[in-house]
Amino acid sequence: DQQVKQNSPSLSVQEGRISILNCDYTNSMFDYFLWYKKYPAEGPTFLISISSIKDKNEDGRFTVFLNKSAKHLSLHIVPSQPGDSAVYFCAAGGGADGLTFGKGTHLIIQP
Amino acid sequence: SQTIHQWPATLVQPVGSPLSLECTVEGTSNPNLYWYRQAAGRGLQLLFYSVGIGQISSEVPQNLSASRPQDRQFILSSKKLLLSDSGFYLCAFNRDRGQGGNQPQHFGDGTRLSIL
Repeated sequence: DQQVKQNSPSLSVQEGRISILNCDYTNSMFDYFLWYKKYPAEGPTFLISISSIKDKNEDGRFTVFLNKSAKHLSLHIVPSQPGDSAVYFCAAGGGADGLTFGKGTHLIIQP
Repeated sequence: SQTIHQWPATLVQPVGSPLSLECTVEGTSNPNLYWYRQAAGRGLQLLFYSVGIGQISSEVPQNLSASRPQDRQFILSSKKLLLSDSGFYLCAFNRDRGQGGNQPQHFGDGTRLSIL
């Protein structure tokens, strides 16, 4: 039973355009959502997070949107750069418990 | 600054052998500590977490165990490895939620474990 789903295994975007990565969750108890970026053979790097009391959080080129009624969040990267090519994981949780991760979306930025 | 160290980076072990992976955190006290595993083509699966010395919560019953002998040290062990234990093992930490709301987890560089 996947509580956090990333339905797109891969996404290809042209450099300079907007990248939109999507994530759905089923557990209404989640109150904290995060996005991580991961390169092969490395640990995930924290990108941005959002609390359930907000619907948007922005940090430079990265913006996360949360739609609680739809149990959906998305990560927008504008503009996309070649260095953004990586696997992006959506994660959800709350408290001291561990996070529940999606399976990841491989983002490919094309020149 | 807060840092997390995991070792070894790669490990090849025969089936039935024991395992000990170590993780240490610097620059913070009383962190929450976590062990995750990423199997090939899968997301990260939480294995264990700890909110304090000697306090271990297990998320998935399996062939592994965890211990926290010191505040900033987290160890993942097995007495007898199985082929299914192969994967990428990641240690993570964050500050206690009481330090100011939810805190993101920060990961080490992981250990690639191959069982032959």
